[in-house]
Amino acid sequence: GIQVEQSPPDLILQEGANSTLRCNFSDSVNNLQWFHQNPWGQLINLFYIPSGTKQNGRLSATTVATERYSLLYISSSQTTDSGVYFCAVEQWETDSWGKFQFGAGTQVVVTP
Amino acid sequence: GAVVSQHPSRVICKSGTSVKIECRSLDFQATTMFWYRQFPKQSLMLMATSNEGSKATYEQGVEKDKFLINHASLTLSTLTVTSAHPEDSSFYICSAREPGQRRGYNEQFFGPGTRLTVL
Repeated sequence: GIQVEQSPPDLILQEGANSTLRCNFSDSVNNLQWFHQNPWGQLINLFYIPSGTKQNGRLSATTVATERYSLLYISSSQTTDSGVYFCAVEQWETDSWGKFQFGAGTQVVVTP
Repeated sequence: GAVVSQHPSRVICKSGTSVKIECRSLDFQATTMFWYRQFPKQSLMLMATSNEGSKATYEQGVEKDKFLINHASLTLSTLTVTSAHPEDSSFYICSAREPGQRRGYNEQFFGPGTRLTVL
């Protein structure tokens, strides 16, 4: 199956700093989503981005499908940005519509 | 975005009992829902795909007799952990996708999760 690698595994930031999280995948994908898992376990949708670039406030994401990677940018980080960031990808086949493969995640801690 | 709820959010049970977890799509109908399991400090692992009106599809290594899935309506899927044991303790999360989306758009939405502790 497809392999999804996220880097770095851990990231400690001072409030106000910028950062980049990376997601590499081993094969072509049809879908890619970024999530933020808060301390209570809720997965929050950040971006649906199988290709291209999107921005939402202080967050933005870019997926270069031909080179099999996606980047999540966090600018002017805040303590509420702490948590685990997951990348999940999906390949469409006859029987695997909607089956996500998650990366291992990046644990982000933003200190005051 | 779409809203998915789960109930209960937390459950503690004795070994040998069965526990039912509900997953509901609140503002849309979902022909397909997904059940994941997450151990502490680990990623999400897909357990099964729940299909409305038909049998669930289980991932390799997941015991279908241990984890019973019923997708009785377009807004409700249930996961029953039967004869639970301490090793079944985990965080269970469901997700759903709105049906009828064009094949070029396939965003999934996740429930808040259920933390199961088996004593």
